[in-house]
Amino acid sequence: EDKVVQSPLSLVVHEGDTVTLNCSYEVTNFRSLLWYKQEKKAPTFLFMLTSSGIEKKSGRLSSILDKKELFSILNITATQTGDSAVYLCAVRSTNAGKSTFGDGTTLTVKP
Amino acid sequence: KAGVTQTPRYLIKTRGQQVTLSCSPISGHRSVSWYQQTPGQGLQFLFEYFSETQRNKGNFPGRFSGRQFSNSRSEMNVSTLELGDSALYLCASSLFPRGHSGNTIYFGEGSWLTVV
Repeated sequence: EDKVVQSPLSLVVHEGDTVTLNCSYEVTNFRSLLWYKQEKKAPTFLFMLTSSGIEKKSGRLSSILDKKELFSILNITATQTGDSAVYLCAVRSTNAGKSTFGDGTTLTVKP
Repeated sequence: KAGVTQTPRYLIKTRGQQVTLSCSPISGHRSVSWYQQTPGQGLQFLFEYFSETQRNKGNFPGRFSGRQFSNSRSEMNVSTLELGDSALYLCASSLFPRGHSGNTIYFGEGSWLTVV
C-alpha cells in the first residue's frame, strides 16, 4: 500500500523565520512528487519533482527530492503571514496516474 | 553564522550516573546526528534526528537515547554510565538528512565525557 507521511503535522513560527517541511513516501512505481499550498479553497500547485538532487525554486520557496532516501523537503525562507496554510505533499505513481496524499503540515506564521 | 554548539565541553561522571549532552545545530538545519568517538573504536554513529523524528539508530544499547525539539536543538542521554562510555561525543548538523546527495555535514567541537 502506498504511503505518504508529512512532518511536522503543525508548525507555528514568527514572520521572518525559515521553515522546512518534510515529506517521506513509500510508493510503488514512483513517477513524481508534488507540493501544494491549501488555504480556504482548493490546493494551489507549488512544485513537481521527478529527479533527485535538483532543487526547484520559486521566490522564497524551494524544494528538493531524494529518491534514494524517499523523501522531499519544502523550504520557506523569510516567512510571511500569507504563508499560513496547509502544505500538502502528494506522490504520483505510474499506476494509472494514481496519487497518494499526505495528511499535510499546517503552518501558522504569526506577525 | 554560528556553528554547531555542544554543551558541556567537558564533564566527569561516576559509574551509574546519567548524563545529558546538548547540541544546537546551525540555524536552519533540521538534521542532527550524534557520534561517539573513542581511540579503540573510532567514530561510531549513535542516532540521527530530522524534524523531531529519529530516522536512524546505530548499534548502541538502550542506555543511549536522544530527542530533538521543535527548534531542532537535540539532546542525548546516557543512563547508568559505564567506564567504557568515556569518549568524545560529537554532534553534526546538516540541512538534509544523512545520505542525501550534496549534503554538507558540520560537526561541533564535541563533549568530552569521562566516567570514573
